Amino acid sequence: GEQVEQLPSILRVQEGSSASINCSYEDSASNYFPWYKQEPGENPKLIIDIRSNMERKQIQELIVLLDKKAKRFSLHITDTQPGDSAMYFCAAIIASSSFSKLVFGQGTSLSVVP
Amino acid sequence: GPKVLQIPSHQIIDMGQMVTLNCDPVSNHLYFYWYKQILGQQMEFLVNFYNGKVMEKSKLFKDQFSVERPDGSYFTLKIQPTALEDSAVYFCASSLDGDTQYFGPGTRLLVL
Repeated sequence: GEQVEQLPSILRVQEGSSASINCSYEDSASNYFPWYKQEPGENPKLIIDIRSNMERKQIQELIVLLDKKAKRFSLHITDTQPGDSAMYFCAAIIASSSFSKLVFGQGTSLSVVP
Repeated sequence: GPKVLQIPSHQIIDMGQMVTLNCDPVSNHLYFYWYKQILGQQMEFLVNFYNGKVMEKSKLFKDQFSVERPDGSYFTLKIQPTALEDSAVYFCASSLDGDTQYFGPGTRLLVL
C-alpha cells in the first residue's frame, strides 16, 4: 500500500510545552521519511528527515523517531514557540514504485498559544 | 536551503483554455516533480521526471497533462484543456538524490 496516515489533524499546545505528531506507513520498503512545515500561502519547507538506518534524529528542538517494525514515525517539537504554529506534513518515500515519489500524510495544524 | 522558482505565482483562466506552469529547479538537481494541493489538504504526487523522461505518473495526472524540460530550461506542466477541478496549487519540487525534495513557492491556478 501507499498510504501514510497522520494524527492528530489539529493540535493545540501551550507555549513552552512539547508537541507530538504521529505517522504510520504501509510500504515496508520505504526508507526515507521527511517532515515539512507549511505556513499559510507558502510552500512546504523541509525541516528534518530520517532514513531507515536510524531510529532517532535531533536538530535543535526537533526530534524524529522511527520504528521500522511498527512502521511508525513521529515528530516531537520541544519547547514550542508561537513561530512553530503551522501545518506539518509527514511523508514517506514509496520505494516499491518504479521510481521514488513522496506520499504525504494528511497534515497536522499546530497552534502554539501563549 | 536550495531554491526552486515557479512562474507564475497565480493564474486565472477560463475552463477549456491551455495553461503552462513553469518551474526553475535547483541548478544541479536531476529529479523533478509536480504535486497538486487543494486547499486544506496534503500535497499529492502527480509526476516525476528524470533524464528527460517521465518515470512515473499518478492517477491524478490526466491525459490532458503533459510535462517537459526542453534543453535544460524550465520544467513545465501543461494542462490542455483545463477543467474546473484543476483549480489548485501546483508545486514543483527538485532533488539531487531522488529522496530529499525541495519545493518551489507554488502556482495558484484558478479555472473559471
